[in-house]
Amino acid sequence: DAGVIQSPRHEVTEMGQEVTLRCKPISGHNSLFWYRQTMMRGLELLIYFNNNVPIDDSGMPEDRFSAKMPNASFSTLKIQPSEPRDSAVYFCASSLQYGGTDTQYFGPGTRLTVL
Amino acid sequence: AQSVTQLDSHVSVSEGTPVLLRCNYSSSYSPSLFWYVQHPNKGLQLLLKYTSAATLVKGINGFEAEFKKSETSFHLTKPSAHMSDAAEYFCVVSDPSGYALNFGKGTSLLVTP
Repeated sequence: DAGVIQSPRHEVTEMGQEVTLRCKPISGHNSLFWYRQTMMRGLELLIYFNNNVPIDDSGMPEDRFSAKMPNASFSTLKIQPSEPRDSAVYFCASSLQYGGTDTQYFGPGTRLTVL
Repeated sequence: AQSVTQLDSHVSVSEGTPVLLRCNYSSSYSPSLFWYVQHPNKGLQLLLKYTSAATLVKGINGFEAEFKKSETSFHLTKPSAHMSDAAEYFCVVSDPSGYALNFGKGTSLLVTP
């Protein structure tokens, strides 16, 4: 299996622009997670989907952030408008089932720089 | 609520010497505990996980961790460090009844020749 696939790997944009990050989970996995990693705050869970349905988006920092999962093999995280403080590495992860015991498999991440 | 504390932000060892990365957890439930590794500019890879089975858990690349409930610890060890072990290591706790992973701040492991 190719693992979790994220694109782009790197994104540089200017403040105010819309940014869309993409994720393809491992085939057959039912749960998908978006995380953000910064030096100051470490790894934070932004949103979690189970069977394509958002279950918990309490980690989404502001209304500028939105996430969708239109089908089992694709998810997007959108920032509109972007700000310099959104600069971070964004990770997507998937797991086979719902549950804290299940292993989450991470993608390589998207490094976002907002100028 | 559950959380983890990684006691060292940086650890430096010589190649061939033992590795010890310390992690204490706090949980109201019987926790699931994980160690993930992140190499530079890479995603996170699972090293091992504990889910209330054997207290000594063996993972990939010669790493292992022991769950000690009395000490609320889940330290990661390896008998002999290799240069390729240099990376960031995260201790993670989750509530088995939930889904959220709570990450520690990470420990950066440096391996010197």
